[in-house]
Amino acid sequence: QKEVEQNSGPLSVPEGAIASLNCTYSDRGSQSFFWYRQYSGKSPELIMFIYSNGDKEDGRFTAQLNKASQYVSLLIRDSQPSDSATYLCAVTGGSYIPTFGRGTSLIVHP
Amino acid sequence: DAGVTQSPTHLIKTRGQQVTLRCSPISGHKSVSWYQQVLGQGPQFIFQYYEKEERGRGNFPDRFSARQFPNYSSELNVNALLLGDSALYLCASSLSDSFNYGYTFGSGTRLTVV
Repeated sequence: QKEVEQNSGPLSVPEGAIASLNCTYSDRGSQSFFWYRQYSGKSPELIMFIYSNGDKEDGRFTAQLNKASQYVSLLIRDSQPSDSATYLCAVTGGSYIPTFGRGTSLIVHP
Repeated sequence: DAGVTQSPTHLIKTRGQQVTLRCSPISGHKSVSWYQQVLGQGPQFIFQYYEKEERGRGNFPDRFSARQFPNYSSELNVNALLLGDSALYLCASSLSDSFNYGYTFGSGTRLTVV
């Protein structure tokens, strides 16, 4: 059974701070890693994907992957109240069908 | 370009009834996947279809079935509804079944079983 683990939170950070969201996965054969943002009552929206070890930056977002530790994270710099949402980690293996974590709730307070 | 469209947006059904949910993928996308999301949980995989063929099935009972049509739209059917089937049902569209670039989700169908 492939598992993707996330702390459900909530993670509360002040506006302007760096929010760090973490995800671990059980399948060592996992190949692709995705972060989705889901606002309350809405559907998930793809933020970033990462395939290789290391960092990948896109604007205020940085995804970090460490396959040896089976760990992927998302950093949000200069957090804004509009970043308040649930962040879902998704992982795929050879079947290309993603397994989602339960998500981490992020609250950015002014 | 229209995104992934799902219908209906909300639905209330009684236990034991049957329901059909519909999804139209982004133009040019040939793969459709269905997910169930219970409040407070991540999306759980139900089915994936590509070129009208089932490519994957999650751990859901046989009451759940789906199909994909020649225009790549899809239907999800759930028979003999249970209270536990109450959830947000999400349709995801992608170019292929290899899922290299992530999914685009529709806005979902909120199903309430009473």
